[in-house]
Amino acid sequence: DAGVTQSPTHLIKTRGQQVTLRCSPKSGHDTVSWYQQALGQGPQFIFQYYEEEERQRGNFPDRFSGHQFPNYSSELNVNALLLGDSALYLCASSIATEAYEQYFGPGTRLTVT
Amino acid sequence: RKEVEQDPGPFNVPEGATVAFNCTYSNSASQSFFWYRQDCRKEPKLLMSVYSSGNEDGRFTAQLNRASQYISLLIRDSKLSDSATYLCVVSPLGNEKLTFGTGTRLTIIP
Repeated sequence: DAGVTQSPTHLIKTRGQQVTLRCSPKSGHDTVSWYQQALGQGPQFIFQYYEEEERQRGNFPDRFSGHQFPNYSSELNVNALLLGDSALYLCASSIATEAYEQYFGPGTRLTVT
Repeated sequence: RKEVEQDPGPFNVPEGATVAFNCTYSNSASQSFFWYRQDCRKEPKLLMSVYSSGNEDGRFTAQLNRASQYISLLIRDSKLSDSATYLCVVSPLGNEKLTFGTGTRLTIIP
């Protein structure tokens, strides 16, 4: 049973560029949450998707957007990248009725130069 | 004030010792509580949920004090493999957003 997978593993972008990160949830899971983890900090909630809709959102600007597909996979898009967007981006999947029990993927490490 | 506060450490503890971590949370509406473990450059993994009655899983014991909005984790007979960052996590009932503390870094010394 495959766990949560994310791609790419690492990414280097330049300020002002746009990036798309991808996540496939654990088999049987229908809810995907995205978190940003800066160095030395705990993960910060970006948003959560369920039934292809954004269900909750954390304190992140509109430059951060997402999408969920019918197969429950998800994308995180970040526009107009800033140096401060450099972080580990984690995807977590869960079952809607048990969304507090989230399983994390290995993350995508984004470096903005 | 941060929603979840933890002592960042680092805690350097000899193998076999007992170590305790504490965490406080500010949102009294929080209903679900967890400890996650994160190894260096890896994803967080659920270590254990925390219940009002307290719960134990092998060498690990978690306690919750709702009145004081305080959560603790006790590790007994620590092993080298316990070296990691321990993240305190809370979530309001019906709101599946997880709020993480900054984590406490633990190193077990041989």
